[in-house]
Amino acid sequence: AQSVTQLGSHVSVSEGALVLLRCNYSSSVPPYLFWYVQYPNQGLQLLLKYTTGATLVKGINGFEAEFKKSETSFHLTKPSAHMSDAAEYFCAVTTTGTASKLTFGTGTRLQVTL
Amino acid sequence: GAVVSQHPSRVICKSGTSVKIECRSLDFQATTMFWYRQFPKQSLMLMATSNEGSKATYEQGVEKDKFLINHASLTLSTLTVTSAHPEDSSFYICSARGPETEAFFGQGTRLTVV
Repeated sequence: AQSVTQLGSHVSVSEGALVLLRCNYSSSVPPYLFWYVQYPNQGLQLLLKYTTGATLVKGINGFEAEFKKSETSFHLTKPSAHMSDAAEYFCAVTTTGTASKLTFGTGTRLQVTL
Repeated sequence: GAVVSQHPSRVICKSGTSVKIECRSLDFQATTMFWYRQFPKQSLMLMATSNEGSKATYEQGVEKDKFLINHASLTLSTLTVTSAHPEDSSFYICSARGPETEAFFGQGTRLTVV
């Protein structure tokens, strides 16, 4: 069984500030981890994913995440927030690299203020 | 990235009628499709997994006679909400993957039952 916990349902940052969205996972086997972004009334867009290899993963739009096995974490960061980053972000886990049967976290809504 | 098209994006129907939602993979063969339901301000809950040419596998608690899933070809899966009621109002999202690809998400369908 696997699960994902996203701490903080809402995060607000100023434009240009660091973005940190937290994700912790639980998995009985080595996990594959994903971050998705969802804009209002739209589907999900893949930001980045960790399958194997390098634990620091770079994604689109300047986002990156680091897989830390010892902390069972996969936090999402971006050095400088932009207004267009305002959206809902979901962390997800699966036990296969092809994102089959994803288990999603509850999501974090990112607000970016001027 | 690969494109998954979901149609319609919005639909309003009367209570007791049935609604069909289509999910198409436009540039790859989708051997597996997933259907998710998302309640307002909540995460995505997997409803069912369908493999082309096979019966769908439903998650626990999902009524298979109410949510009919057909995956008759490698590019099309449909979800039919039968005898819809207001409590079926939700955002439905499909995702599709090929044999060696990750899952790509459709744009979602907002169903409102009045």
